Amino acid sequence: GQQLNQSPQSMFIQEGEDVSMNCTSSSIFNTWLWYKQDPGEGPVLLIALYKAGELTSNGRLTAQFGITRKDSFLNISASIPSDVGIYFCAGQLGGNQFYFGTGTSLTVIP
Amino acid sequence: GAGVSQTPSNKVTEKGKYVELRCDPISGHTALYWYRQSLGQGPEFLIYFQGTGAADDSGLPNDRFFAVRPEGSVSTLKIQRTERGDSAVYLCASSTGHPYNEQFFGPGTRLTVL
Repeated sequence: GQQLNQSPQSMFIQEGEDVSMNCTSSSIFNTWLWYKQDPGEGPVLLIALYKAGELTSNGRLTAQFGITRKDSFLNISASIPSDVGIYFCAGQLGGNQFYFGTGTSLTVIP
Repeated sequence: GAGVSQTPSNKVTEKGKYVELRCDPISGHTALYWYRQSLGQGPEFLIYFQGTGAADDSGLPNDRFFAVRPEGSVSTLKIQRTERGDSAVYLCASSTGHPYNEQFFGPGTRLTVL
């Protein structure tokens, strides 16, 4: 299957700090998605990106679809304790197959 | 409203046994997906249903895995002759069917093969 490289693998930050994580692929994707997964739960969609270069915000979250269509980043501003969890990027080539990254584990220290 | 539900939440079985995992999608969602998530990994696509038919089963790892959705709603993932390597969380997601529509995930079934 497709390989999505997500970095960093884990992050430990102080409450109030900003966070940035990214995802790269060797393949060109039509859609990039960012999900958050809490323990014992399924992933929840945070932001969806449909066009190369698109920059989209959702509250304190901002994500961009890279111009080359092979990468995307997610920023979280002013982190709070409930931001703790695992963040996944996912790409859609076409059709209905979605490929997920390996995740970034975020820990927010109060 | 009710989200995607999956049963059982946990399943422990012995190597070689047969298991069935159930997914109840959100009412009215025509598209249904199964994923497998191993520890420390992201979800891995297994199969996609549009209505009653499996539109894409290219992610099923081998012929021990099979899934059905006979009435276009509830789906069952069936694993024959389970192996220890099948141990993972199996996630189900549903959507309204448009390619750009959000997939809503269930909490998953944690399968442990001893």
